[in-house]
Amino acid sequence: GAVVSQHPSWVICKSGTSVKIECRSLDFQATTMFWYRQFPKQSLMLMATSNEGSKATYEQGVEKDKFLINHASLTLSTLTVTSAHPEDSSFYICSARSEGTRTFYNEQFFGPGTRLTVL
Amino acid sequence: DAKTTQPTSMDCAEGRAANLPCNHSTISGNEYVYWYRQIHSQGPQYIIHGLKNNETNEMASLIITEDRKSSTLILPHATLRDTAVYYCIVRHATGNQFYFGTGTSLTVIP
Repeated sequence: GAVVSQHPSWVICKSGTSVKIECRSLDFQATTMFWYRQFPKQSLMLMATSNEGSKATYEQGVEKDKFLINHASLTLSTLTVTSAHPEDSSFYICSARSEGTRTFYNEQFFGPGTRLTVL
Repeated sequence: DAKTTQPTSMDCAEGRAANLPCNHSTISGNEYVYWYRQIHSQGPQYIIHGLKNNETNEMASLIITEDRKSSTLILPHATLRDTAVYYCIVRHATGNQFYFGTGTSLTVIP
């Protein structure tokens, strides 16, 4: 149990276009999901906390108008990188916090990541 | 959440125990110690977590010092597939976010 998926696993897009990345909790409900970004040879950087049914909370320095987050259901959060530029090329990882299950209460499970390359 | 300090890199011979240290000297009483690892180009994988008692599961053991200012993750018989970056993270019991440090890059050598 406690599986998180991401789609797509990799994407290449042209500069100026928008890209949507999906994060799904497959076998549990998650009112809270998180989005991270990771540049090569660096650690994961938390971008935002995604709350089901409400606005996301962004970390300092992350542009909320550029990285749009929607958490419309208990199993799906999306991250849209708007007007992508080459400097947005990165590995984007989501995680979901399990709630309401005895075994994995308040634990976070990570997706496999999405590799974004902006040309 | 308290900050953690880990060595940048370590090597371990295949089949031997890998002992990965983590310092968290400012940890508070309600904060847990979590360990995750990240194999290249994958999402982080949960390993183990604990509050003050030593913990063991099928993947690893976690030894937390009595003063809780440091801990050690032990992989009892390292294999080549254990080569990864290992992250030690401290988080409040009811906390939300995980903030990752730089982690330890473990290389298991044949």
